[in-house]
Amino acid sequence: DSGVTQTPKHLITATGQRVTLRCSPRSGDLSVYWYQQSLDQGLQFLIHYYNGEERAKGNILERFSAQQFPDLHSELNLSSLELGDSALYFCASSSPPDGRGTIYFGEGSWLTVV
Amino acid sequence: SQQGEEDPQALSIQEGENATMNCSYKTSINNLQWYRQNSGRGLVHLILIRSNEREKHSGRLRVTLDTSKKSSSLLITASRAADTASYFCATDAGEGNTPLVFGKGTRLSVIA
Repeated sequence: DSGVTQTPKHLITATGQRVTLRCSPRSGDLSVYWYQQSLDQGLQFLIHYYNGEERAKGNILERFSAQQFPDLHSELNLSSLELGDSALYFCASSSPPDGRGTIYFGEGSWLTVV
Repeated sequence: SQQGEEDPQALSIQEGENATMNCSYKTSINNLQWYRQNSGRGLVHLILIRSNEREKHSGRLRVTLDTSKKSSSLLITASRAADTASYFCATDAGEGNTPLVFGKGTRLSVIA
């Protein structure tokens, strides 16, 4: 158990819909990262937050947004969903603000868009 | 784009054999890490090697780093069926706030 909690574990939704994925980082970790894993693209970095502020942005679509709240939990919002958004979405956390060093992954949220 | 590229994409060996996976990357790095992922699960950190280190050991794992060739290898000795998983290398890009970038992984199957 990494200490990173993600909900929901699985969800199925229709194209055009909006979903919210939630992440609670390990106790004491201020950095939260979101990654998308699909068969064809591998593990893609989406976005990094540190103590409520956005620190780095990767291949995140404009239809996707994220935020980190004062209690340090984070949410990834996916809207106008398309079939190609079906993937495993991971949250990870760590202590440092610069994205280096070991990061700890949650078990992921499986999103299926039908 | 992927920073690290693992090779081979898939590897199948018998229990007790050694497994070697390679990773190549493109830019200068501070650290290189290896992670393991059981099917459909979260990634688990295995080992971190710093850019000024050449070799590191952890139990049955041995990692080497050659910064001149921008490559690393992960050796798992005396493999077990429980080692069956995907293995990923991850690098940071060296400067500033740089999140880890992962390769597409090597799928290791250890046959009992």
